[in-house]
Amino acid sequence: GIQVEQSPPDLILQEGANSTLRCNFSDSVNNLQWFHQNPWGQLINLFYIPSGTKQNGRLSATTVATERYSLLYISSSQTTDSGVYFCAVELRIDMRFGAGTRLTVKP
Amino acid sequence: EAGVAQSPRYKIIEKRQSVAFWCNPISGHATLYWYQQILGQGPKLLIQFQNNGVVDDSQLPKDRFSAERLKGVDSTLKIQPAKLEDSAVYLCASSSGQGTNEKLFFGSGTQLSVL
Repeated sequence: GIQVEQSPPDLILQEGANSTLRCNFSDSVNNLQWFHQNPWGQLINLFYIPSGTKQNGRLSATTVATERYSLLYISSSQTTDSGVYFCAVELRIDMRFGAGTRLTVKP
Repeated sequence: EAGVAQSPRYKIIEKRQSVAFWCNPISGHATLYWYQQILGQGPKLLIQFQNNGVVDDSQLPKDRFSAERLKGVDSTLKIQPAKLEDSAVYLCASSSGQGTNEKLFFGSGTQLSVL
């Protein structure tokens, strides 16, 4: 099956800093999504982005499908951005998740 | 629009007991997923339904886990008998199922502790 690797595994930032999270995948995919899991465990869909670039406020994402990676950018981070960020990919079935990047934003 | 509903929120049982989780997807969503998330890991797909048919259950431990989605709406996931290693959060998700690539929306999950 498709392998999904996320980096870094942990990230600690000061409020206001910018960050880039990376997701590498081992095969062609036709579905890639980024999720944020907040400290209470709720998974929130951030982006559906199998290719190209999207922006939503302080967050943006870019997927380069031909090179099998996706990047999530967080600008001007806030304490509410803390949590775990997951990348998930799918070819036909089985939306497969990476191990996540745990982000801690300190005030 | 109401989100994905799950219950119970927490469950504590002893090993070898049985437990059931319930999920109500977003209205009109044809595809329903059950994921298992062990502490510190990403969610792992257990079973995927399209309407009331199973699309993928390759990672479901079928000797103890079962799931059904009667009438293509609500779904129930059952574990019988439970083992210590089943302690995890069980997440239900749904998508519209209108195409092959859909945004997933998750419920709040059921946190299971097996003692």
